[in-house]
Amino acid sequence: GAGVSQTPSNKVTEKGKYVELRCDPISGHTALYWYRQSLGQGPEFLIYFQGTGAADDSGLPNDRFFAVRPEGSVSTLKIQRTERGDSAVYLCASSPWTGGMETQYFGPGTRLLVL
Amino acid sequence: AQSVTQLGSHVSVSEGALVLLRCNYSSSVPPYLFWYVQYPNQGLQLLLKYTTGATLVKGINGFEAEFKKSETSFHLTKPSAHMSDAAEYFCAVTKFNTGTASKLTFGTGTRLQVTL
Repeated sequence: GAGVSQTPSNKVTEKGKYVELRCDPISGHTALYWYRQSLGQGPEFLIYFQGTGAADDSGLPNDRFFAVRPEGSVSTLKIQRTERGDSAVYLCASSPWTGGMETQYFGPGTRLLVL
Repeated sequence: AQSVTQLGSHVSVSEGALVLLRCNYSSSVPPYLFWYVQYPNQGLQLLLKYTTGATLVKGINGFEAEFKKSETSFHLTKPSAHMSDAAEYFCAVTKFNTGTASKLTFGTGTRLQVTL
């Protein structure tokens, strides 16, 4: 079946602009995660949704970052007043929720470059 | 808090040689451990995971890892490297939370180069 998809695959923006990054999880997966991967680093957790609600947003770096998942499927990560330091690959992952330690399936990422 | 240390940001092996990628973790509770592989311009793919039970875990593409609690390690091995194994490898740790899913904490990665 289809995996996790993310759009756009690449995004170039100017400092101070607003961007939206979209994630389509695997159908039926109730858990959805956002991670950020800076150059030469491992992915860092940003936020996790269980259904429509953000169950853990402790990784969001500041209030310029916000994410939604209004219908419990597609999620959008929103970044306001972008800064050059926001440049990174933004990864989305999803997993089923059956009460155990489920595998997270990752999308290919959105590469964000802030000029 | 949990953390992962991957020793060696770059590892180079000859084709057919043993692959050993090191991962040490820190966790105040029993950890769940993962190895992911990332090919260029692709997402992370799960190689294997340890949750409970047998400490030697076998994964895809001939990789395996052994959970050693006394050494707080979860090193990844493959007996014979193949050119197609060249990629970035990430070790990750999490803890099991009853009633909710768990975020992963990743190491900084090890880039594996395979030479002829």
